[in-house]
Amino acid sequence: KNEVEQSPQNLTAQEGEFITINCSYSVGISALHWLQQHPGGGIVSLFMLSSGKKKHGRLIATINIQEKHSSLHITASHPRDSAVYICAVMKRGADGLTFGKGTHLIIQP
Amino acid sequence: EPEVTQTPSHQVTQMGQEVILRCVPISNHLYFYWYRQILGQKVEFLVSFYNNEISEKSEIFDDQFSVERPDGSNFTLKIRSTKLEDSAMYFCATQRTGEGTQYFGPGTRLTVL
Repeated sequence: KNEVEQSPQNLTAQEGEFITINCSYSVGISALHWLQQHPGGGIVSLFMLSSGKKKHGRLIATINIQEKHSSLHITASHPRDSAVYICAVMKRGADGLTFGKGTHLIIQP
Repeated sequence: EPEVTQTPSHQVTQMGQEVILRCVPISNHLYFYWYRQILGQKVEFLVSFYNNEISEKSEIFDDQFSVERPDGSNFTLKIRSTKLEDSAMYFCATQRTGEGTQYFGPGTRLTVL
């Protein structure tokens, strides 16, 4: 069983829609990361969370440590938001990140 | 804005050959990582490196792999005798402190024929 599960695996939405991507994990963590992978393969860090909520522009990330769940929200989605969004956790006591399989998001104009 | 760079962007090699993938970290970063992503699969942790030594390695990081920071700037991943299944995108990531954002390089696509 994967230690980090994301849903949905694929998501297609219309421009302007509110997007939610979910991440559940089954291990103790020190932090959770949301990353964006572009079609060319490059990976960009969006958020690092250990509690609560963070906002950057149209992106909002929340985490519930008790429920071992995090969500990434995109408001007023735009075609340029089309990418793979990856949830990754830093397990307690570990150095490297453990990744989910990613959510492939397509925003249609 | 400072960024992590990786060379080469694409490497094609024959099975059994040695390859060296290079990463130039952001200058004040102290923690370095290698990850790989086989086509169509999730990103996987290979190794972390701090204070000139490996701090953690995964099961994937067997005796065929090694890392070093030969000149205080470049951070390299060497695969001694490549196998077909080593074909993947290899990402370097760096971090200023032990806790914090990891900054990823653009990746090296390794193709083993």
